Amino acid sequence: GAVVSQHPSRVICKSGTSVKIECRSLDFQATTMFWYRQFPKQSLMLMATSNEGSKATYEQGVEKDKFLINHASLTLSTLTVTSAHPEDSSFYICSARVLETQYFGPGTRLLVL
Amino acid sequence: ILNVEQSPQSLHVQEGDSTNFTCSFPSSNFYALHWYRWETAKSPEALFVMTLNGDEKKKGRISATLNTKEGYSYLYIKGSQPEDSATYLCAHPLGFGNEKLTFGTGTRLTIIP
Repeated sequence: GAVVSQHPSRVICKSGTSVKIECRSLDFQATTMFWYRQFPKQSLMLMATSNEGSKATYEQGVEKDKFLINHASLTLSTLTVTSAHPEDSSFYICSARVLETQYFGPGTRLLVL
Repeated sequence: ILNVEQSPQSLHVQEGDSTNFTCSFPSSNFYALHWYRWETAKSPEALFVMTLNGDEKKKGRISATLNTKEGYSYLYIKGSQPEDSATYLCAHPLGFGNEKLTFGTGTRLTIIP
């Protein structure tokens, strides 16, 4: 199957700093990637759809100025959590679709102190 | 059912025993049902994409059935092995041709050697 990588796997940062998470499709091209977030004991929740060469579309309640998404190439999407606060601590995971199946990265655990 | 619900939340099964768990989803406007296996520190692995009522799919010792009229899918594991320990997620897209997935909270399966 298709492989999606994510970097870093975990990050700890101070409140007020920005953190960038990379999502790469390793063996296929992805015009669209998805970013999900998971809080403890909750389901994966879609945050935004990343579109290559155009603006991302955000789900209701997700602040676009806080979660900056850039999809500059067919194999890379980045999510930047700007001015991170402790409530942004969560598990962030990306995916990309090949035919009818979505393939996920391994996720990034963010802890904001 | 308005959202995707999975039961039980967690399950402990003796090695060698068979087991099954449930995914319930809105039965109106059904498009597809996805099953994933998610091992700790790894990417969620796509197991099945099911689209037809009455469909049954199989992958090794794992199989799944689909009832779109009543809005449920069962995942079966025959002769559980320690490597089956994982969280099993189901998800459905928000609409026809829609890549956005809505996930359940998962069933966490632990196989006891």
